Amino acid sequence: KAGVTQTPRYLIKTRGQQVTLSCSPISGHRSVSWYQQTPGQGLQFLFEYFSETQRNKGNFPGRFSGRQFSNSRSEMNVSTLELGDSALYLCASSFSQGGEKLFFGSGTQLSVL
Amino acid sequence: GENVEQHPSTLSVQEGDSAVIKCTYSDSASNYFPWYKQELGKGPQLIIDIRSNVGEKKDQRIAVTLNKTAKHFSLHITETQPEDSAVYFCAAQLDYKLSFGAGTTVTVRA
Repeated sequence: KAGVTQTPRYLIKTRGQQVTLSCSPISGHRSVSWYQQTPGQGLQFLFEYFSETQRNKGNFPGRFSGRQFSNSRSEMNVSTLELGDSALYLCASSFSQGGEKLFFGSGTQLSVL
Repeated sequence: GENVEQHPSTLSVQEGDSAVIKCTYSDSASNYFPWYKQELGKGPQLIIDIRSNVGEKKDQRIAVTLNKTAKHFSLHITETQPEDSAVYFCAAQLDYKLSFGAGTTVTVRA
């Protein structure tokens, strides 16, 4: 059974640009959550999608957005990038919504210069 | 929101010894407490979880205990092995959101 796949693995962007990250969940999983991981703030919840609807949202500015497609694949978009957006962005999938029994991908390492 | 504190931040143990990591949470309404292990270059992996109606759960060398009154929960790893070296995160679920502790870097010395 294939795991959670995130692409790309690494990204380098400059301030002001926008970026789109992709996540393919485990087959059969309908929930996709996104987390930001930094050395200073740790793991922070961004949002969760279930059946193409955003079910929950963390405390991030509106520059961070996402969507989920009918095949449960998800994308996360960050607009007007800031230096502080440099982080490892992790996607996690699960069978049910709410943050239980998450399976994480290896993440996308975003560097903003 | 929920606030999770995790201690210690680093832990070095001799192979074969036990390791204990402790976490506290702030909101008594939290009802689900997972533990994740993260190895270098990988995403976190769920190793054990416990619900608020259970006091203790064990899976081979790993066990988790929960004290709802004190609002703290702990991870116990017995007979540590080199492959247990990793960063461990505790988390608490409140309102269908997970809040994570800051992590504990565990090093198992051969």
